[in-house]
Amino acid sequence: NAGVTQTPKFRILKIGQSMTLQCTQDMNHNYMYWYRQDPGMGLKLIYYSVGAGITDKGEVPNGYNVSRSTTEDFPLRLELAAPSQTSVYFCASIETGTNSPLHFGNGTRLTVT
Amino acid sequence: KQEVTQIPAALSVPEGENLVLNCSFTDSAIYNLQWFRQDPGKGLTSLLLIQSSQREQTSGRLNASLDKSSGRSTLYIAASQPGDSATYLCARNTGGFKTIFGAGTRLFVKA
Repeated sequence: NAGVTQTPKFRILKIGQSMTLQCTQDMNHNYMYWYRQDPGMGLKLIYYSVGAGITDKGEVPNGYNVSRSTTEDFPLRLELAAPSQTSVYFCASIETGTNSPLHFGNGTRLTVT
Repeated sequence: KQEVTQIPAALSVPEGENLVLNCSFTDSAIYNLQWFRQDPGKGLTSLLLIQSSQREQTSGRLNASLDKSSGRSTLYIAASQPGDSATYLCARNTGGFKTIFGAGTRLFVKA
């Protein structure tokens, strides 16, 4: 099992550009999450999904969009990049209905200038 | 507001020392409490998960405890090693889809 895979690892965007952060998992987990981590802060939830076709907003959804067309993939879309979106983005998944730990990808480090 | 607080923010110890990392949370409603390790430039790796009905969990040199009544969890690391240097995060799950993270404790173990 590869677990949770995120691409790209690094990206630099100019203000106003758009991009998609990719996330895929091969553990057949229904619940998937997108978090952002800013220096010295805990992880903040952006969006989550409880299954294919179902998504919902987390704490900090403004400026982002997601889709969940399959169980495996949960891409995060930035439409008009802003400097405030400079952060490290983590995708995670969990096996539902059990006391199981979150599984994280290695993150995407995004800089918006 | 649901919060998770970790103290200290940073800690430096000599190799071989036993140490305790602290995590406190508001609201005693809890489904489980997880401790994660994060190495620079990497994602989070789950170390221990304590279910609401449990008081502690152990894995090797690591022991995590949970006291719901006081809203506290501790991670005890025995005989610390330079390889233990990392950031340690605790996270509280209240059931369902939400997990609230602390900001982490950055640990440096000196050889």
